[in-house]
Amino acid sequence: AQSVTQPDIHITVSEGASLELRCNYSYGATPYLFWYVQSPGQGLQLLLKYFSGDTLVQGIKGFEAEFKRSQSSFNLRKPSVHWSDAAEYFCAVGSRSNDYKLSFGAGTTVTVRA
Amino acid sequence: ETGVTQSPTHLIKTRGQQVTLRCSSQSGHNTVSWYQQALGQGPQFIFQYYREEENGRGNFPPRFSGLQFPNYSSELNVNALELDDSALYLCASSALDGGPDTQYFGPGTRLTVL
Repeated sequence: AQSVTQPDIHITVSEGASLELRCNYSYGATPYLFWYVQSPGQGLQLLLKYFSGDTLVQGIKGFEAEFKRSQSSFNLRKPSVHWSDAAEYFCAVGSRSNDYKLSFGAGTTVTVRA
Repeated sequence: ETGVTQSPTHLIKTRGQQVTLRCSSQSGHNTVSWYQQALGQGPQFIFQYYREEENGRGNFPPRFSGLQFPNYSSELNVNALELDDSALYLCASSALDGGPDTQYFGPGTRLTVL
């Protein structure tokens, strides 16, 4: 069964500083990977996705993520955080053998301090 | 292009009652997936509908049921509500076509069971 681990429950970062959110997945075959962001009381907004090809993917709002098969990781990064980036971030994985249903991590809450 | 919409926004029910949640998929999408997100957790897959047929189910009891209509909108029905059913219910639409799809989420319905 596929699973996703987000090791950091909560991260606090200063505005303007860099941000990295970790995501590890457990699955044998080719995973399809996603990062979503959720503001309080809202639905999920897609930040970026990886299906194949270049392992460094660019997303919206200045985010990027790198797929590392050897480490089973798909970490999300942003070089300079804005106060509006405070939210909860979810990593998700789908796979062909599971008909592309998504399994989500527990999420990482990001707090941005001035 | 219209995004994914859900109704109602909030709902309060008592234990033992039944509830119906609705989702309108994004234009051009043929698949709707439903997720339950308990407070402080990541979304959990309930089931998916593809062209009006159930296309996979997560670890949820039969009292969770659904429908998809010819226009690809969908309903989630929950019978005999329990306190633990209190959660944010998210639907996501996608264009499933034999390969990995990207799921776009609605704003969710917040269900409170008293």
